[in-house]
Amino acid sequence: DGGITQSPKYLFRKEGQNVTLSCEQNLNHDAMYWYRQDPGQGLRLIYYSQIVNDFQKGDIAEGYSVSREKKESFPLTVTSAQKNPTAFYLCASSIDTSGIPYNEQFFGPGTRLTVL
Amino acid sequence: AQSVTQLDSQVPVFEEAPVELRCNYSSSVSVYLFWYVQYPNQGLQLLLKYLSGSTLVKGINGFEAEFNKSQTSFHLRKPSVHISDTAEYFCAVILQYNFNKFYFGSGTKLNVKP
Repeated sequence: DGGITQSPKYLFRKEGQNVTLSCEQNLNHDAMYWYRQDPGQGLRLIYYSQIVNDFQKGDIAEGYSVSREKKESFPLTVTSAQKNPTAFYLCASSIDTSGIPYNEQFFGPGTRLTVL
Repeated sequence: AQSVTQLDSQVPVFEEAPVELRCNYSSSVSVYLFWYVQYPNQGLQLLLKYLSGSTLVKGINGFEAEFNKSQTSFHLRKPSVHISDTAEYFCAVILQYNFNKFYFGSGTKLNVKP
């Protein structure tokens, strides 16, 4: 079955530690995204990548970093510089935009990060 | 600037009653519109989308939405809800010149009571 997997589902970290969230897709999608979800605030875009080895900052990139070494993988690192990292993190992917009027985004099941 | 507003953060409703979840957007350019549903501790699932054509669009699980350009609205409706519809619903738009960036509303929690 094609889809997006995120691991782990729940993650705990101590203050001052970096942590990496995994996102893998086997949909052969070119574009991948990371969102942060906080209660009452909807989804906010952290980073996105339209092609391997390239990515762009979203609205709230400070304190986060990403890499896109493979088409199917887009890991997100939450660094110690992120002041309030406790949140639900969602990864999504979509097909390439060329010649297509819109990109439907497919979402993974999410990772809930709690900083202790 | 673009924005999506979901005025109701929570909507309680009894089973088999009709429901409307409101969504308004602001944009200086044409947009495409979407509704997503999120069940607890899960990702988002697409309910329906408006790209062009008929302003009334039908989605999964008996939901439908109507695009009203003059009122810049895209309200979601269902004539008779079930307990299983209890979830959070997100309205989203993308701009026709920037297909990669979604703008999401803050979400509406639908609580269906027996």
